[in-house]
Amino acid sequence: TQLLEQSPQFLSIQEGENLTVYCNSSSVFSSLQWYRQEPGEGPVLLVTVVTGGEVKKLKRLTFQFGDARKDSSLHITAAQPGDTGLYLCAGVDNYKLTFGKGTLLTVNP
Amino acid sequence: EAGVAQSPRYKIIEKRQSVAFWCNPISGHATLYWYQQILGQGPKLLIQFQNNGVVDDSQLPKDRFSAERLKGVDSTLKIQPAKLEDSAVYLCASSFPGRGKTQYFGPGTRLLVL
Repeated sequence: TQLLEQSPQFLSIQEGENLTVYCNSSSVFSSLQWYRQEPGEGPVLLVTVVTGGEVKKLKRLTFQFGDARKDSSLHITAAQPGDTGLYLCAGVDNYKLTFGKGTLLTVNP
Repeated sequence: EAGVAQSPRYKIIEKRQSVAFWCNPISGHATLYWYQQILGQGPKLLIQFQNNGVVDDSQLPKDRFSAERLKGVDSTLKIQPAKLEDSAVYLCASSFPGRGKTQYFGPGTRLLVL
C-alpha cells in the first residue's frame, strides 16, 4: 500500500510569516500533486511535479520535489489570510490519486 | 465555464436509512470519479467511470454502496443502508480521459449519519 505522510498536521501562524509543509511517500509515484481545499469546497490543483529535484513557483508558493521523487515540500512566503485552507499532496499513478491527510493552515490577520 | 455540480450540499440521515447523491460533471469530461473524505483525512477514491463504464471500483464497499452513470454524463452514488462510519464528505470530480489529466472537484455533499 502506497502511503503519503504530511506534516505538520496543523499550523497556525500570523500574517506575514513564512512556512513550509512536507509530504513524504513510502514509494515512488509517476508524479506528485499539491492541492488546496477551502472550507465547504473541493480540492483545487495548485501544481504537479514530475522530475526529481524539480522546483516550481506559483506567486508566493514554492514547490520542491526531492531527488528520489519520494518527498516534496511547499513553502509559502509572507503568508496571507487568503492562504488559509487544507493543503493536500497526492501521488499520481496513471489516473489514480492517492492523497495524504493534509496540513490544515490558518493564517491569522 | 461551469464547474462540477453536486447536490444536495448537506444531508442528515439516521443509520440504516438510504441516501443518494447526484453529480453533473464539466461538459465534455468523459471521466468521472467519486471520492469519500472522512474528517481529518484526504479524499479516498471510491469509483471511477469512463463514459458509462466502470474503470475502478476496487475501494467501493459494494455491500452497501452503488453508483451508476447511465448516459455517460450525470452520476448518482447511493448508500443503502447507511452506517455511522459513512459520515463524510462525498466529492465528485471529472476530467478529460487519459493519463495525467487534471481532475476538477465539485464542492461535495456533506453526509451526517446519526
